[in-house]
Amino acid sequence: QSALTQPASVSGSPGQSITISCTGTSSDVGGYNYVSWYQQHPGKAPKLMIYDVSNRPSGVSNRFSGSKSGNTASLTISGLQAEDEADYYCSSYTTSSTLVVFGGGAKLTVL
Amino acid sequence: EVQLLESGGGLVQPGGSLRLSCAASGFTFSSYAMSWVRQAPGKGLECVSVISGSGGSTYYADSVKGRFTISRDSSKNTLYLQMNSLRAEDTAVYYCAKVRGYSGYEGLDYWGQGTLVTVSS
Repeated sequence: QSALTQPASVSGSPGQSITISCTGTSSDVGGYNYVSWYQQHPGKAPKLMIYDVSNRPSGVSNRFSGSKSGNTASLTISGLQAEDEADYYCSSYTTSSTLVVFGGGAKLTVL
Repeated sequence: EVQLLESGGGLVQPGGSLRLSCAASGFTFSSYAMSWVRQAPGKGLECVSVISGSGGSTYYADSVKGRFTISRDSSKNTLYLQMNSLRAEDTAVYYCAKVRGYSGYEGLDYWGQGTLVTVSS
């Protein structure tokens, strides 16, 4: 199964906003509202930041938001902070036999 | 408090077998799907396998289909991953994760600390 497509890296300065894209197909991202986003700091387990395209779990800052248009989902982080520097992964339900597919990950650097 | 504690990782020779376990606590185990996600050194996340809350539905990545088997024991609140015919490319940190829902695709809201599997001669 093909991974969802994410940019390898994104960067921004403190206080700015950045957006990370996640492109799939109509068999995954485009066809269903089951896109999730995860944050992973080095040496740590991933943390769920967004589920069902745009919902935040309890305890996740409202600086994190998700959206979707066609086959592309997006994670936006506003008011960038140094602690946001991490790897970000999207995932989606897929009609393939694997059920869930991840993106390749995007490394966020806070300048 | 939800806790997921993996065990069973280690060094194994190519062609060998290993069984990972994940002891779960702090939630009604049988009400949620569970998943194994792995991360090869310096690489991204890969969903290896998912099992529904009842255990009646299972899903596998193409890369492990026919070699790995996911299962769960609700009497012990434990998730398993039986890994056979291991290859060097199976070397990774394996995470146990709880799914937000019953079916398996609703997002992974709790993760274990991970257990390292190294396949090498």
